[in-house]
Amino acid sequence: EADIYQTPRYLVIGTGKKITLECSQTMGHDKMYWYQQDPGMELHLIHYSYGVNSTEKGDLSSESTVSRIRTEHFPLTLESARPSHTSQYLCASGSTNTGELFFGEGSRLTVL
Amino acid sequence: QQQVKQSPQSLIVQKGGISIINCAYENTAFDYFPWYQQFPGKGPALLIAIRPDVSEKKEGRFTISFNKSAKQFSLHIMDSQPGDSATYFCAASKAYGASKLTFGTGTRLQVTL
Repeated sequence: EADIYQTPRYLVIGTGKKITLECSQTMGHDKMYWYQQDPGMELHLIHYSYGVNSTEKGDLSSESTVSRIRTEHFPLTLESARPSHTSQYLCASGSTNTGELFFGEGSRLTVL
Repeated sequence: QQQVKQSPQSLIVQKGGISIINCAYENTAFDYFPWYQQFPGKGPALLIAIRPDVSEKKEGRFTISFNKSAKQFSLHIMDSQPGDSATYFCAASKAYGASKLTFGTGTRLQVTL
């Protein structure tokens, strides 16, 4: 079992609210990622980090922001949620030795 | 721009049959090709992976076939079981260990009794 945790699993909020999706891993991985996935669909990389104080935007443009103050923690924030942000957000950490990504179970966000 | 193209979008196979999913890539800098399996309500999990120095890798009932010249790779599931019903994603990355993966669009596999 991979040790990567996401909270909340489900969130329904109104337009304009600020939200933070939490992601933590206990594997000591330097590399962490956020992917956006609509149900049963392709995964799109929106943010990644190769270590503390290092963050980069991914291939899919996103209005969200991330921070990496601690190795184990990689939260994603939306300052003002909109219905277009409704999606599933998957956090992952990556092993430099094997290249394997370990995914959390996802945070399903619905913005009304 | 779809860098990793995956087909079919969905697949129905009878129990005991062979499931085949294909992927094609364009970027010749890709050198790591994993397959991920995702069950409903869960995050994807690594199933099997290959690097371009070999043409085939087998783990139990799962085999990756890799054709470097054609820039194609495929997943074969032998003796498919209902428990294999899931969505399968191929992926590729430029640097082994760097882990910044580009995923295919996914194949929803249903194995019937």
